[in-house]
Amino acid sequence: EVQLVESGGGLVQPGGSLRLSCAASGFSLRSYAMSWVRQAPGKGLEWVSAISGSSGTTYYADSVKGRFTISSDNSKNTLFLQMNGLRADDTAIYYCAKEYSGYDFDFWGQGTLVTVSS
Amino acid sequence: EIVLTQSPGTLSLSPGERATLSCRARQSVSSSYLAWYQQKPGQAPRLLIYGASSRAPGIPDRFSGSGSGTDFTLTISRLETEDFAVYYCQQYGRSPLYTFGQGTKLEIK
Repeated sequence: EVQLVESGGGLVQPGGSLRLSCAASGFSLRSYAMSWVRQAPGKGLEWVSAISGSSGTTYYADSVKGRFTISSDNSKNTLFLQMNGLRADDTAIYYCAKEYSGYDFDFWGQGTLVTVSS
Repeated sequence: EIVLTQSPGTLSLSPGERATLSCRARQSVSSSYLAWYQQKPGQAPRLLIYGASSRAPGIPDRFSGSGSGTDFTLTISRLETEDFAVYYCQQYGRSPLYTFGQGTKLEIK
């Protein structure tokens, strides 16, 4: 059974850093691309970053480029999102999501809330 | 950047009725790259339709997707109470890699 479990969210001051984790089970991260998608309170979905399972190629939304870094530890089957220079508009629930047909996401974690506030 | 515009913003219908949700792209999108999700309060999104018209595993056949080019539609043939939720379309592109529409809220009339 595929499961994705995020952790690492919390309250952080503007300019601070946070590292999110997504523990995957039921499949290998080496075989699938993974993404982080966020949702600000009461708002819609915004794709943040992706990493290719096979090549490790990374992709970022313009809104986080240069501040966020996606990575994975295949030995632990865990996905990460290192977030630096956090701003108030980064406040959101962050979901990790597994690619399905190459262009969409079939499994999502339960999400972890990141709040950026002084 | 491909922008996806969903309409209507809110759709008020009764159980048993047919729901038609629209997703319009500013530029042509490959049908392979268009998906639909359902999201209920406090839950993660759930994949309904991929490749514009293929149902994801376990999705009831009352959900169907259609369209091509710049106009895509999600149809729910006969609404059940558990279908009232927010629906998002999503496309795969270049920059950004993925884009979501702003969502359509389907509420009980």
